[in-house]
Amino acid sequence: QKEVEQNSGPLSVPEGAIASLNCTYSDRGSQSFFWYRQYSGKSPELIMSIYSNGDKEDGRFTAQLNKASQYVSLLIRDSQPSDSATYLCAVRGDYGGSQGNLIFGKGTKLSVKP
Amino acid sequence: DAGVTQSPTHLIKTRGQQVTLRCSPKSGHDTVSWYQQALGQGPQFIFQYYEEEERQRGNFPDRFSGHQYPNYSSELNVNALLLGDSALYLCASSYRLAVKPTYEQYFGPGTRLTDT
Repeated sequence: QKEVEQNSGPLSVPEGAIASLNCTYSDRGSQSFFWYRQYSGKSPELIMSIYSNGDKEDGRFTAQLNKASQYVSLLIRDSQPSDSATYLCAVRGDYGGSQGNLIFGKGTKLSVKP
Repeated sequence: DAGVTQSPTHLIKTRGQQVTLRCSPKSGHDTVSWYQQALGQGPQFIFQYYEEEERQRGNFPDRFSGHQYPNYSSELNVNALLLGDSALYLCASSYRLAVKPTYEQYFGPGTRLTDT
């Protein structure tokens, strides 16, 4: 059973701080890793994807991947109240010719306090 | 550039009924995946369609079926509704021939299915 684990939170950080969200996965063959943001009552929105070990930066967001430790993280710098949402970690393995499906964690709820 | 669209936004049904949910993928995408998201949970994969065929299926019973049309739009049908089927149903689109290992999936707004 392939699993993705996230701390459900809530994670509370003050405005302007760095929020750190973590995710572990069980399938060592996984190749693709994604972070989605989901506001209450809305659908998930893709904010970051990462495929290679190391860091990937996009604006205030940095995704970090360590395949040896089967660990993915998302850092949000200069957190804003508008970043308050549930952050979903998703993992996809290598399925040859098929695209394969995404396996999601339960999500971490982030609250940024003004 | 039109994003992923889904209809209807909300559905209220009773146990035993049948529902049909619809999805149009993002322009340029040819693959549609369906997910079920229960309250407080991450989305769970139902199945994936491309080239008008079901290509992969998650752990869902045969009451859940689908279809893909030549224009890449897709339907999800749920028969003999159970109380546990109440959830947010999400459609995600992607491009099958995207360079591996990308295959990014983009979600539509979802259809919320609730019980009376």
